[in-house]
Amino acid sequence: GIQVEQSPPDLILQEGANSTLRCNFSDSVNNLQWFHQNPWGQLINLFYIPSGTKQNGRLSATTVATERYSLLYISSSQTTDSGVYFCAVFDNYGQNFVFGPGTRLSVLP
Amino acid sequence: KAGVTQTPRYLIKTRGQQVTLSCSPISGHRSVSWYQQTPGQGLQFLFEYFSETQRNKGNFPGRFSGRQFSNSRSEMNVSTLELGDSALYLCASSILQGNTGELFFGEGSRLTVL
Repeated sequence: GIQVEQSPPDLILQEGANSTLRCNFSDSVNNLQWFHQNPWGQLINLFYIPSGTKQNGRLSATTVATERYSLLYISSSQTTDSGVYFCAVFDNYGQNFVFGPGTRLSVLP
Repeated sequence: KAGVTQTPRYLIKTRGQQVTLSCSPISGHRSVSWYQQTPGQGLQFLFEYFSETQRNKGNFPGRFSGRQFSNSRSEMNVSTLELGDSALYLCASSILQGNTGELFFGEGSRLTVL
């Protein structure tokens, strides 16, 4: 099945800093999503982005499907951005979504 | 409109017992999928239901089962609980099945097995 890697595994930022999170996947995909897991465990949709670039406020994402990676940009980070960020891709062979191991972000005041 | 609702939010069981978790999807969504999240294994796919039929199942033992009702609500059951079943169980709903859907998650059911 498809392999999904995320980097970095952990990231500590000062409030106001910018960051880039990366998701690499081992096979072609046509469904990729980014999620933020809050401290209470809920996964919040950030982007559905199988290709191209999208922006939503301080967050933006880019997927280069031909090169098998996606990037999540967080600008002017806030303490509420803390949590774990996951990318998930649909495995066309296994017919299910596969999640990366996540990037744990801590934004300090 | 209301999001995905999972009940119960927290529960504690002992080894050998069974547990049933419930998930009500977003209105109009017909696909429900379940995931197990543990610190060691991350988020792993359990199964997906669409129109009351199991469409796919992950690599879990037969103790893990589920079903979907005509109103798209889904339940999952774990029998003969083991300590390793302690996890956050997350349910996601989607308008369409499989590759065509965008997943929306509930808040999860946190199971502790003693």
